[in-house]
Amino acid sequence: KQEVTQIPAALSVPEGENLVLNCSFTDSAIYNLQWFRQDPGKGLTSLLLIQSSQREQTSGRLNASLDKSSGRSTLYIAASQPGDSATYLCAVRWGSGYALNFGKGTSLLVTP
Amino acid sequence: SQTIHQWPATLVQPVGSPLSLECTVEGTSNPNLYWYRQAAGRGLQLLFYSVGIGQISSEVPQNLSASRPQDRQFILSSKKLLLSDSGFYLCAWSPGQGNQETQYFGPGTRLLVL
Repeated sequence: KQEVTQIPAALSVPEGENLVLNCSFTDSAIYNLQWFRQDPGKGLTSLLLIQSSQREQTSGRLNASLDKSSGRSTLYIAASQPGDSATYLCAVRWGSGYALNFGKGTSLLVTP
Repeated sequence: SQTIHQWPATLVQPVGSPLSLECTVEGTSNPNLYWYRQAAGRGLQLLFYSVGIGQISSEVPQNLSASRPQDRQFILSSKKLLLSDSGFYLCAWSPGQGNQETQYFGPGTRLLVL
């Protein structure tokens, strides 16, 4: 069964810290992997999209890596800020299907 | 630029009542359209997707249905709501040329069935 798991479920860090969010997936034959941000009661905002042929993508303070052989992706957030507080979701697309398969997310709280 | 709208933002409905949620996309043509549900304690789950007018694919069996009467309009419906239909419903779109592109999500509709 193809599953996406995110650990930890919740994380609290002081402002300024660098942090890593983890995502693991059961089937390494992915099409692409995407990281999203969701603010409470809101829709999703796409952060980074990594195609299966890529190893990492960067946008500002965010860096996402992909290791298909180990079934893992990490989202690195540098110099965290209170505005980074949100739930971060990892989503995997397998094969040529249209479905994004989501993890349950990591709820991040950055304290001033 | 492209924008995606969903309404209503929140909805409280009794069990057994009908449902109609609407999603529209502006600023693009021939998008792929998606309905997802986010239930409490569970991840986002794809319910339906559409690659064109009148073309609907269902990912999971349920008492919900979807329709695409116009190119940029996607509607989620039910004839009789169940308690288990409560959740946060998200509409999304992606460029229609392929399926490798990112998906862009709307603001969502929070549905509470009592």
